[in-house]
Amino acid sequence: GQQVMQIPQYQHVQEGEDFTTYCNSSTTLSNIQWYKQRPGGHPVFLIQLVKSGEVKKQKRLTFQFGEAKKNSSLHITATQTTDVGTYFCAGGEKTSYDKVIFGPGTSLSVIP
Amino acid sequence: EAGVVQSPRYKIIEKKQPVAFWCNPISGHNTLYWYLQNLGQGPELLIRYENEEAVDDSQLPKDRFSAERLKGVDSTLKIQPAELGDSAVYLCASSLWGGSVNEQFFGPGTRLTVL
Repeated sequence: GQQVMQIPQYQHVQEGEDFTTYCNSSTTLSNIQWYKQRPGGHPVFLIQLVKSGEVKKQKRLTFQFGEAKKNSSLHITATQTTDVGTYFCAGGEKTSYDKVIFGPGTSLSVIP
Repeated sequence: EAGVVQSPRYKIIEKKQPVAFWCNPISGHNTLYWYLQNLGQGPELLIRYENEEAVDDSQLPKDRFSAERLKGVDSTLKIQPAELGDSAVYLCASSLWGGSVNEQFFGPGTRLTVL
């Protein structure tokens, strides 16, 4: 069945440094979603990408969907302490109901 | 607008006891999900409802887990009997499936501890 993987599992950065997390699927995706979960909180939707090669930006966050629609990345420029949390990608597989599978997440720590 | 409501927020039980979780999704959302999240891992789907119909329950351990979504609104997830390995956070999410963006809105979760 479909598998969604993310690397790295953990990342510690100094405040102001950049951060990137990578998401890979074993199958071609219909779309990719990204969520952020703060410590002790619940996942919160960030964005959805649908088109091959799509790039979207939200302030300091840049999201990319691979040309083959099997991988994605999230890049944060100049991290801040408010960026702390776990970032999950969720791959959408085209079925009768758009099956979604979450990756294991990348936990980001920002050292002030 | 009220978000996804879950109760209880915390539950501690002894193994072999039954437990039930309740979820009220965002008004108008036709899709409801129950996830299990272990520490340091991503949410794992247990069951997905489209209105009253369970469209994906392939990962639900049906020997001990059951769920229902009567009238296509709120939902209950039950475990009977609970095992030590069931300790986790149980998340409920809802979405308005059929639009261009299938954003899932998560509730705060129920943290279950089985002793």
